[in-house]
Amino acid sequence: ETGVTQSPTHLIKTRGQQVTLRCSSQSGHNTVSWYQQALGQGPQFIFQYYREEENGRGNFPPRFSGLQFPNYSSELNVNALELDDSALYLCASSLKGGLTDTQYFGPGTRLTVL
Amino acid sequence: AQSVTQPDIHITVSEGASLELRCNYSYGATPYLFWYVQSPGQGLQLLLKYFSGDTLVQGIKGFEAEFKRSQSSFNLRKPSVHWSDAAEYFCAVGAGVQGAQKLVFGQGTRLTINP
Repeated sequence: ETGVTQSPTHLIKTRGQQVTLRCSSQSGHNTVSWYQQALGQGPQFIFQYYREEENGRGNFPPRFSGLQFPNYSSELNVNALELDDSALYLCASSLKGGLTDTQYFGPGTRLTVL
Repeated sequence: AQSVTQPDIHITVSEGASLELRCNYSYGATPYLFWYVQSPGQGLQLLLKYFSGDTLVQGIKGFEAEFKRSQSSFNLRKPSVHWSDAAEYFCAVGAGVQGAQKLVFGQGTRLTINP
């Protein structure tokens, strides 16, 4: 069974640029969630996708957007990058996205904005 | 609003000693509680979870946690730590948002093991 994978591992961008991060869900999972983890902090929920539709969003501005594809892989897009966007971005997949479902996390993408 | 507090930012224990990591939550309904561990350069790995039933739950790697509703706590314990337990530990509560499930995490506790 393949776990959750993310690419790239590290990324350096400059302020104002756009970035796309990618995630492949664990086999059989149709729900993916994205989290932002700033240095020294716990992860914060960005949004969740279920069967290709966004079904919940945290306190993040619209320049954070996502996609989920028919094979349940996912992308996180961030436009107009700001210095504060520097963080570890974690993707998590779960079977159905229910409250009792376990979320399985990928290793993350470290984004640095200069 | 849901929140999780981990009062200890950093804990150091000796190898072989017992461990307790504290977690307090704020949630209006029945909480769904989780403990995750994060090693350097790694994602989060689930140690254990509590939804209902027996308030003492067993997890992987010899960890256990006890849910105490009266104290709004879900502390993580291990009788004897190993050097490989050095990592960052996160307590989280599951919450619904617009039909989705999100995890609300505490700030984390960094565990250092002395040889």
